[in-house]
Amino acid sequence: GAVVSQHPSWVICKSGTSVKIECRSLDFQATTMFWYRQFPKQSLMLMATSNEGSKATYEQGVEKDKFLINHASLTLSTLTVTSAHPEDSSFYICSARRLTSGGAWVQTYEQYFGPGTRLTVT
Amino acid sequence: EDKVVQSPLSLVVHEGDTVTLNCSYEVTNFRSLLWYKQEKKAPTFLFMLTSSGIEKKSGRLSSILDKKELFSILNITATQTGDSAVYLCAVEFPLMKTSYDKVIFGPGTSLSVIP
Repeated sequence: GAVVSQHPSWVICKSGTSVKIECRSLDFQATTMFWYRQFPKQSLMLMATSNEGSKATYEQGVEKDKFLINHASLTLSTLTVTSAHPEDSSFYICSARRLTSGGAWVQTYEQYFGPGTRLTVT
Repeated sequence: EDKVVQSPLSLVVHEGDTVTLNCSYEVTNFRSLLWYKQEKKAPTFLFMLTSSGIEKKSGRLSSILDKKELFSILNITATQTGDSAVYLCAVEFPLMKTSYDKVIFGPGTSLSVIP
């Protein structure tokens, strides 16, 4: 099956520092990757949609200058949390979309998640 | 407002029971509905549904979509303790005036299967 990796799996940083999280699709090319945040006992909240070669599309309420997303290649997207604060502590998950069938009118995709990154800001 | 609703939010059953999880949605230009199982870490993919009335099966799990009534169900037969997890429903649809898609998740159904 398709594999998506994230690095690091957990990170502890001091308030005010920046943290970069990598998301890689290991055995397929992903033109679209998604970044989510999940707080304890809550569902996944979409932060932004990352498209290779173009600017990310951010959800309402997500600061684009604070959560920098770069999708530089078809297998790598990065999320940088700048000037992190304790309230940014969360579980960050990426997913990558893999095209499973394509035609002139209909395309089907599957979406695979990375294992997540636990960020703790002290 | 685009939204995905799941019910029940939590469920406790005994091993061997059959459960039905519900997902309803309201989105513009629906593309697909996805079911995921989330245990301790990131969700794992179960099904993607795009057409009404076509049941998808994987072992004891099955799912079906009704695009007219805007809902889907996930069935788990002969439940086992290993089925205990949060089951997430997500809906994918194109963002207006862009070529991008968006995915929104429901709150999840927390299923506990007790021996």
